[in-house]
Amino acid sequence: GESVGLHLPTLSVQEGDNSIINCAYSNSASDYFIWYKQESGKGPQFIIDIRSNMDKRQGQRVTVLLNKTVKHLSLQIAATQPGDSAVYFCAENNYGQNFVFGPGTRLSVLP
Amino acid sequence: GAVVSQHPSWVICKSGTSVKIECRSLDFQATTMFWYRQFPKQSLMLMATSNEGSKATYEQGVEKDKFLINHASLTLSTLTVTSAHPEDSSFYICSASSNSGSNQPQHFGDGTRLSIL
Repeated sequence: GESVGLHLPTLSVQEGDNSIINCAYSNSASDYFIWYKQESGKGPQFIIDIRSNMDKRQGQRVTVLLNKTVKHLSLQIAATQPGDSAVYFCAENNYGQNFVFGPGTRLSVLP
Repeated sequence: GAVVSQHPSWVICKSGTSVKIECRSLDFQATTMFWYRQFPKQSLMLMATSNEGSKATYEQGVEKDKFLINHASLTLSTLTVTSAHPEDSSFYICSASSNSGSNQPQHFGDGTRLSIL
């Protein structure tokens, strides 16, 4: 299930299940979005991106959905594996300005 | 491709010391580099943006005399924390982009954990 900790929401899923991580972004003018994965003690790693002229994009085991009407972004991970355990950040960008990062969601994969 | 190397990965030093952190783009030319600070269990906080050959642009509340940024080449940017104190202890992360002013992903280094005693 999903819970909100002091600073970081946490999502716990069973290994093999699908994960859905959600992000509400702030700027309706943002036109480019990225999902990053950050493992403990490391820098964020690019997962997948999507531009505002699309509402869905698929990668290997990951899918990003964009709903501009409600300013919502989601990351779906199929067949979640232990190696998927990390903190996931969404980032929005407005016409080449600096990226604004969301608060992050910790994904815990249970055996 | 798009590898960013950050050094050192961890540094412990005494209060009052100045610490330099390097950020290198290994296989691309980084027109723009970004420096972030991250506290435990929190998101990334942008400190400054630097373009090669120009002065860095600092975010509101970030002391430019405290956090000196140099971006002398298209592959190297440095962040120097001057006269560091315990409150400067944090995880500092750099990122680099090959194209400023357009929507391209930032590629991140693995961060530097700074511990000030």
